[in-house]
Amino acid sequence: ETGVTQSPTHLIKTRGQQVTLRCSSQSGHNTVSWYQQALGQGPQFIFQYYREEENGRGNFPPRFSGLQFPNYSSELNVNALELDDSALYLCASSSGGAGAEKLFFGSGTQLSVL
Amino acid sequence: GESVGLHLPTLSVQEGDNSIINCAYSNSASDYFIWYKQESGKGPQFIIDIRSNMDKRQGQRVTVLLNKTVKHLSLQIAATQPGDSAVYFCAENMAGNQFYFGTGTSLTVIP
Repeated sequence: ETGVTQSPTHLIKTRGQQVTLRCSSQSGHNTVSWYQQALGQGPQFIFQYYREEENGRGNFPPRFSGLQFPNYSSELNVNALELDDSALYLCASSSGGAGAEKLFFGSGTQLSVL
Repeated sequence: GESVGLHLPTLSVQEGDNSIINCAYSNSASDYFIWYKQESGKGPQFIIDIRSNMDKRQGQRVTVLLNKTVKHLSLQIAATQPGDSAVYFCAENMAGNQFYFGTGTSLTVIP
């Protein structure tokens, strides 16, 4: 069984740029969620994708967007990067669609915005 | 313990002792809870979960207790080992599959 994989592991961008982060879900999982984890904090929910559509969104501006593909993999796109976007971005997959099921996390992408 | 919210950011225990990490949650409508362990440089790792129709659930060396009356969750780790050193998060699910995480409790096991 393949776990959740994320790429890249580290990324450095400058303010105003755009970034795309990628995630492959665990085999058998059809739902992907994205979380932002600032240093010393718990993960914060960005949004969730199920059946290739956004299915729930946290308190993040529209410049945070995503996609889910037919193979359940997903992308997180962030436009007009700000310094405060520097964080660990975590992808989590789960089964069961929109219902409450355990999340399995990848190791994350560490994004630094300079 | 933490409060999805943190009361006690750090906890130090001797190897072999039992550890108890507490968590206070705010939303009485939350019906599903998960404890995660996060080691440095890694993503959160699932430890154990519990639904609101249960008061207690046991796993291997871990027990989660849920007190809905006072909105309190605890994680008990038996015979704590050095490999248990990590940050522990409780996460509550209110609706759909959206989880709210506390700021975590850092557990240090002293050999």
